[in-house]
Amino acid sequence: GAVVSQHPSWVICKSGTSVKIECRSLDFQATTMFWYRQFPKQSLMLMATSNEGSKATYEQGVEKDKFLINHASLTLSTLTVTSAHPEDSSFYICSAKGLVADQYFGPGTRLTVT
Amino acid sequence: AQTVTQSQPEMSVQEAETVTLSCTYDTSESDYYLFWYKQPPSRQMILVIRQEAYKQQNATENRFSVNFQKAAKSFSLKISDSQLGDAAMYFCAYKGGGSEKLVFGKGTKLTVNP
Repeated sequence: GAVVSQHPSWVICKSGTSVKIECRSLDFQATTMFWYRQFPKQSLMLMATSNEGSKATYEQGVEKDKFLINHASLTLSTLTVTSAHPEDSSFYICSAKGLVADQYFGPGTRLTVT
Repeated sequence: AQTVTQSQPEMSVQEAETVTLSCTYDTSESDYYLFWYKQPPSRQMILVIRQEAYKQQNATENRFSVNFQKAAKSFSLKISDSQLGDAAMYFCAYKGGGSEKLVFGKGTKLTVNP
């Protein structure tokens, strides 16, 4: 149990375009979902926390207008990177949490902006 | 603010041997959770083990066990009978009882030598 999927696993987009990443909890209802960014050989950096039906809470320094997060249901959250630039290239990971303390992570999405 | 420190950037162990990864944390809270996550080369974060602060008994999951020293704010992970598949980055993480967020350490890269 506690499986989280993420789609796509790898995406390449051109500078100036937008890209959407989906995160789904497959076998449990996720009251809270999280979006992280991970640079090579570094730890995870929390970008934002979202609760179903509510606006996301962004961490300090994260541009909420660039990284749009929607948590429309208890099993789906999306991250849209708007007007992407090469510096947005990174590995994005989502996680989901139900009623217990544990966070379960998706497999990640590698974004390359050319 | 809570912090998590992993003082060993890299560790290595011989296959079938035992290795201990260190983690210390700083908090003023009495109610919290501690986790160890594994991130293999696939970059999928996998929950290895969880410890609730109110439990005195150290958590164990098969070959993985922790040494939780609450007064010393120490939370080490012991891997027994190391296997090649244990090679990965290991992240120690903290979650306050009243928070949804995880605070991660910088990680320890574990190499398992055949």
